[in-house]
Amino acid sequence: DGGITQSPKYLFRKEGQNVTLSCEQNLNHDAMYWYRQDPGQGLRLIYYSQIVNDFQKGDIAEGYSVSREKKESFPLTVTSAQKNPTAFYLCASTSGMGRRNTEAFFGQGTRLTVV
Amino acid sequence: AQKITQTQPGMFVQEKEAVTLDCTYDTSDPSYGLFWYKQPSSGEMIFLIYQGSYDQQNATEGRYSLNFQKARKSANLVISASQLGDSAMYFCAMREGNTDKLIFGTGTRLQVFP
Repeated sequence: DGGITQSPKYLFRKEGQNVTLSCEQNLNHDAMYWYRQDPGQGLRLIYYSQIVNDFQKGDIAEGYSVSREKKESFPLTVTSAQKNPTAFYLCASTSGMGRRNTEAFFGQGTRLTVV
Repeated sequence: AQKITQTQPGMFVQEKEAVTLDCTYDTSDPSYGLFWYKQPSSGEMIFLIYQGSYDQQNATEGRYSLNFQKARKSANLVISASQLGDSAMYFCAMREGNTDKLIFGTGTRLQVFP
């Protein structure tokens, strides 16, 4: 079955450490996204990518980095510069490139906790 | 800059009644798409319904309908015949023009009681 796989489901990080969240899709989608969700709040866009080897900052990119070396993969690194990284992280993908009516498919999310 | 506003942090509705969840948006692009998603306590995001800016008719999907008022820049979700399983967070989202940037509102928590 096609879909988006995020791993791990739960992640614990010590302060000062970088950590990478994985996102893989087999939907042949062009566009991929990373969102952060804090308790009781909405989804805030961190980064998105419309095509391989290209990505754009979202509304809260500071302290995060991404890469898009393959169409299927869009890993997110939470760096030590992110002062409050504890949150629920969601990865999504869409067909992209102007097809506005296409829904975004989401992974199951990664819950990151700083200890 | 594009923006999505959901002004209802929480809503209550009795089972079998209809409920409207509000969403307003702001964009200068004449071409855009509007979406509603449901997020149960498990955290997964479930796509409910889509409305395009050029669509002449309001979108409907089963018990879900979208009350699209373009001049007022509103895209309210109407859930008819509420069920206990409808209890969840509901998010309105917009994708603008030919970009693929997809932004979300802050959400409305709907609770359905017997």
